Amino acid sequence: DADVTQTPRNRITKTGKRIMLECSQTKGHDRMYWYRQDPGLGLRLIYYSFDVKDINKGEISDGYSVSRQAQAKFSLSLESAIPNQTALYFCATRDRKETQYFGPGTRLLVL
Amino acid sequence: AQTVTQSQPEMSVQEAETVTLSCTYDTSESDYYLFWYKQPPSRQMILVIRQEAYKQQNATENRFSVNFQKAAKSFSLKISDSQLGDAAMYFCACINNAGNMLTFGGGTRLMVKP
Repeated sequence: DADVTQTPRNRITKTGKRIMLECSQTKGHDRMYWYRQDPGLGLRLIYYSFDVKDINKGEISDGYSVSRQAQAKFSLSLESAIPNQTALYFCATRDRKETQYFGPGTRLLVL
Repeated sequence: AQTVTQSQPEMSVQEAETVTLSCTYDTSESDYYLFWYKQPPSRQMILVIRQEAYKQQNATENRFSVNFQKAAKSFSLKISDSQLGDAAMYFCACINNAGNMLTFGGGTRLMVKP
């Protein structure tokens, strides 16, 4: 089984809808991250969490919110989706040696 | 703040040959880590190799090795005996010791010719 899982893997939604992307991990890591990847570009950080009580904004947090329900679960929400949020979204965990482990990604299309 | 630059949008290599992907970075941190990630068409981000900045010895992982030049802030990836399965996007990335943000370069698409 994968160490970092994301649901759904693909999602199509309409402008203005609220959606949630979920991430779960079995690696036992405290630190979790949400990234966004646009076509032909590297990943950019949306939010990160060092534990269930510690949530921090990344470089592109506007229009997004997160919830850390437990050590193993970190969800990303788009309160009112817009077309320029169409992208590939990755969840990741981090170990004590600063290495990040990524989930399989969620491809989101906002119409 | 950190920046990572990959100046080669695309590279190609003949199967079984060697190819080197370039990466330069800039950081004000004295303690940081550098990574190469591979993203095949499946879109999964796969760790290829990792380098601690305080280590002078270049990291190696089987056919993959790096040339880490700290003073020049350069971190290139060498792939030896290239295989068809090596075809992918390769991303260079940097993170400081606080682990707040992994900064990625724009990526290099590697094509492997049979």
